[in-house]
Amino acid sequence: RKEVEQDPGPFNVPEGATVAFNCTYSNSASQSFFWYRQDCRKEPKLLMSVYSSGNEDGRFTAQLNRASQYISLLIRDSKLSDSATYLCVVLFGNEKLTFGTGTRLTIIP
Amino acid sequence: DGGITQSPKYLFRKEGQNVTLSCEQNLNHDAMYWYRQDPGQGLRLIYYSQIVNDFQKGDIAEGYSVSREKKESFPLTVTSAQKNPTAFYLCASSIVAFSYNEQFFGPGTRLTVL
Repeated sequence: RKEVEQDPGPFNVPEGATVAFNCTYSNSASQSFFWYRQDCRKEPKLLMSVYSSGNEDGRFTAQLNRASQYISLLIRDSKLSDSATYLCVVLFGNEKLTFGTGTRLTIIP
Repeated sequence: DGGITQSPKYLFRKEGQNVTLSCEQNLNHDAMYWYRQDPGQGLRLIYYSQIVNDFQKGDIAEGYSVSREKKESFPLTVTSAQKNPTAFYLCASSIVAFSYNEQFFGPGTRLTVL
């Protein structure tokens, strides 16, 4: 089993729709979780950290489910500019940051 | 503006040659990292440095070497011993290594071996 698993997609979603992705992780001792966004042929950039209680930033909501070992990202009222690859990133202890392979999202006009 | 720069953006290398990829940051971060990204795979850690004059191997260090003589700079050398060097190379930095702190990435270098 991979340490961090994501559905690669692609997710093709009409503009204005709501879309959600999950990411599962294998190590129950994982302590920090992040969503990064990567545009085509560009570097990853932090979208949001994921807190235990869940957190929201505008149209984006991140959730953590420790019992089932997954994190999720929900995007409401999707915009064309949301088209990107979303990387799930998990910190195990203080010595390893593992990146998922990413979920590709395309917003269709 | 603070940030991370990488050069060159594109690099072509003949088989058997060593090449060095540059990474500079002016964020005053202690930790710096090198990752490799291949299609269909997540970022994989090559080397990281927590402080000047110190660095550790990551998951795929074979065929690579680094140095950290200055806080701002963390160059990566891809040696001829690296069997499949064609990839997208990303340098990153953070305040401290492997913490909840955000990793900031440079724009990357695309290396192609001819």
